Amino acid sequence: DTGVSQNPRHKITKRGQNVTFRCDPISEHNRLYWYRQTLGQGPEFLTYFQNEAQLEKSRLLSDRFSAERPKGSFSTLEIQRTEQGDSAMYLCASSFFGADNEKLFFGSGTQLSVL
Amino acid sequence: AQSVTQLGSHVSVSEGALVLLRCNYSSSVPPYLFWYVQYPNQGLQLLLKYTTGATLVKGINGFEAEFKKSETSFHLTKPSAHMSDAAEYFCAVSVIYNQGGKLIFGQGTELSVKP
Repeated sequence: DTGVSQNPRHKITKRGQNVTFRCDPISEHNRLYWYRQTLGQGPEFLTYFQNEAQLEKSRLLSDRFSAERPKGSFSTLEIQRTEQGDSAMYLCASSFFGADNEKLFFGSGTQLSVL
Repeated sequence: AQSVTQLGSHVSVSEGALVLLRCNYSSSVPPYLFWYVQYPNQGLQLLLKYTTGATLVKGINGFEAEFKKSETSFHLTKPSAHMSDAAEYFCAVSVIYNQGGKLIFGQGTELSVKP
C-alpha cells in the first residue's frame, strides 16, 4: 500500500493558462474523490468517481473544470483558463466502497497558485 | 442539509493538559461523523469516526469523541496532550447516509501544544 499519490505537489501558472493535476489512488480502491481546500478553510467536495463513472459534480465545479478517471485507475483534474480564484490546494482521496465502512485516504495535495 | 461548525480556529494547550476540540453538526439524516487530522505537508488522516452503535468512539493516538444527539455535538478529546499532537483538526459529517466519502468539513481547528 503506497498510499494516494498526487502530482505535481506545486503548480504556479499565469491567469488564463490551462493546468492538469494527476491522482493515483490506492490500487484496490473503487472510489476516487476530488476536494479543494483554501487557506483557513476545510476541504470542499468537488466530484467523485466509482470506477470510471463520474457520479456527481459539485456546483463549485464550473464548466472550466473537468475530471476524468479512464479505466477506473488514476484520475486527472483539468482547469481551463485559470483564474486567481482557482488558487487553492486540490486534494484527492480514494476509498473502497462496499461494506458499511467507507474510509477516505487522502493524498498530500497539489497546491495551485494562479498569478 | 448537512453542516459542521468547529468552535475555535486556534486552541493552545500545555503538554500534558487535556485537549478538547469542539464540533457541532446539523444533518437531515442519521449522521456519520468524522475527525481528521492534517500535519504540515501531509494528507488528511482519519482519527476516528462514528457511524452507529456506541456513542463514545476511540481513535488513534489516544483521541476519542462522543456523539451526543441531543446536543448535536461530536467533540474530540485527549486526556494528555503531546507535542506531536500539534496539527490542524477537521470535523466532518457525511452528506449521503451510510457513506463515508462525500463529506462536509468544518473550517478546522489548529492545535498548538506548549512545552
